[in-house]
Amino acid sequence: DIQMTQSPSTLSASIGDRVTITCRASQSISGWLAWYQQKPGKAPKVLIYKASSLESGVPSRLSGSGYGTEFTLTINSLQPDDFATYYCQQYSNYPRTFGQGTKVDVK
Amino acid sequence: EVQLVESGGGLVQPGGSLRLSCSNSGFAFSSYWMNWVRQAPGKGLEWVANIKHDGSETHYVDSVKGRFTISRDNAKNSLYLQMNGLRAEDTAVYFCVRDPLYFSGWPEYFQHWGQGTLVTVSS
Repeated sequence: DIQMTQSPSTLSASIGDRVTITCRASQSISGWLAWYQQKPGKAPKVLIYKASSLESGVPSRLSGSGYGTEFTLTINSLQPDDFATYYCQQYSNYPRTFGQGTKVDVK
Repeated sequence: EVQLVESGGGLVQPGGSLRLSCSNSGFAFSSYWMNWVRQAPGKGLEWVANIKHDGSETHYVDSVKGRFTISRDNAKNSLYLQMNGLRAEDTAVYFCVRDPLYFSGWPEYFQHWGQGTLVTVSS
């Protein structure tokens, strides 16, 4: 199975900050990576697919980059709606696997 | 608007069975790969299984192989997850999730999610 490792596990930030979350795959997944945002009690919502493509309706302050085994999710100018948990997920191989999550909370 | 609504969750004893259903609207159900993804209380996300648009291909995470069966009835616009031999570690919210691509030969990411149904395995 491909292991997905996110860092950090928790990130404390303030409104307006630039935030970066890293996701590493245990083997190459090319660009087959998605990022999701989840708020408590809610279903996840896809933000980024194919490593860097922004899902329709997602604000442009969010961006994704990377290829192979190293990926990043960047949030420019953090907004109140961005405090949540973020997951990366590979869809290169079976089983589909997620990172353990990164919680972005208020500093 | 794509809508996915799960049902069938509840409390079941270890070793018991449960069948989850996912009804949907707002898209051509028979044209998309569908998935089940679960989340144990306070934990991360785990993909469980998927099924091709025509039901001809299925895949499972190892931990449920031989115990869970994903199926679909395109005439009824419904997705199912038959869960047998349930264990405490199967306790989770189960989400019904749709693939993004129409008639794709290879499933991609998880674009549309239901709100989930809670399965609790406990004596």
